[in-house]
Order: sequence, then structure tokens, then C-alpha cells
Amino acid sequence: AQSVAQPEDQVNVAEGNPLTVKCTYSVSGNPYLFWYVQYPNRGLQFLLKYITGDNLVKGSYGFEAEFNKSQTSFHLKKPSALVSDSALYFCAGHGSSNTGKLIFGQGTTLQVKP
Amino acid sequence: NAGVTQTPKFQVLKTGQSMTLQCAQDMNHEYMSWYRQDPGMGLRLIHYSVGAGITDQGEVPNGYNVSRSTTEDFPLRLLSAAPSQTSVYFCASSYDRGSHGYTFGSGTRLTVV
Repeated sequence: AQSVAQPEDQVNVAEGNPLTVKCTYSVSGNPYLFWYVQYPNRGLQFLLKYITGDNLVKGSYGFEAEFNKSQTSFHLKKPSALVSDSALYFCAGHGSSNTGKLIFGQGTTLQVKP
Repeated sequence: NAGVTQTPKFQVLKTGQSMTLQCAQDMNHEYMSWYRQDPGMGLRLIHYSVGAGITDQGEVPNGYNVSRSTTEDFPLRLLSAAPSQTSVYFCASSYDRGSHGYTFGSGTRLTVV
């Protein structure tokens, strides 16, 4: 069965420091991987995706993610966190043989403190 | 270009009532899906469709019904609402089954009392 896991319920970081939100995956075939952000009482906003190509993917709002096939990970990163980055982050994905059936991690709350 | 539109935004139902959550997209996306979001569980796939006339079950399909008569619309029906269906529901669509990403609606917050 396909799965996406986010091992941390919450990540706390000081403003200006780098941040990492972790994600691991288990899918059939080549992975399609995504990061979304959700602000309170809002929908999901797309940040970035990995389908194929460079292992370092750059996305919206200064976020990037590193795809690591050997570790089956797709961690979200940002060099310098902002207080406004505080939100709920979801990793999601599926395999090339299950396109369309997007599986989500349970979400990680990011708290950036001034 | 409105993207993915969900209606209503909020709804309160009594146990046993039925209702339809509406989802429409104007991007000519072939693929559409419904998710529910519950605290600590992420989003879980309820039903999905790969084109007009074609639907299939996701991870948590029980208590929900769907149909896809047009490319644009993908309504989700609750035939007899239960308190366990209290959740936030999101509709999503994609072109080329995810290669270009998925676009989500703003959600419907449903409370069943």
C-alpha cells in the first residue's frame, strides 16, 4: 500500500533560522511528490512538486525540497524562516502507477517565533 | 478563470439528512477527487474520477456517493448523514493525472448533529 509520512507533528524555529519539515514516502513506481501549505480556515496552497529531474526542487515563497530516492524522503526546506511561514504543511504523493490517487501525510504544524 | 469552486462553504445537517456538496472546475481537468480532512489525520481520499462517466473509490468511500456526468462537475452526495461525517471536505482537480500538480477548492465545513 502507498503511504506518505510526516514524522513530526510540530516544528518550532526562530525567525531567520533555516527550517526543515520532514517527509518520507512509499509508493509504487516512480514517485510524484508534492508539498502544500494550509493557513487557518483556508484551503490548500501548492508550494512545489517533484515529478522528475533535479533532486532539489524550488517552489513558491522561497521554499525548496530535496528528493532523496535512496532514503525515500522529500524534505521541505527554507534558508531563512519568517513568522508568516507559520502554518500547517502537508506532504502528499503517489506513484506513477497510481496517478490521481493522492495520499497525504498527517501534516506538520510549523511555528516560527520572532 | 475561477479554478475549483466548492459550495456551500459551511453546512449543518441533522443525523439522517441528505445533501450534496458541489464541486466545479473550469480548467478542463480530466481528473477530479474528493477528500476529507480530520485533525491529525491529514486528508483522506473519498472518491475520484478520471473523466466524465468514470468514478472509483478511494480510502474512505462508505457513506458517500459520486457521479461525473460532465468534465466540469463532480458532486459528492451524503445519502444519510452521520456525526462521523463531520469534517472539512476538499475537492481537487488535475490535468494529466498530477504531472502539473493538483488544484484544491477552498473547502466545505460540514457539521452533522
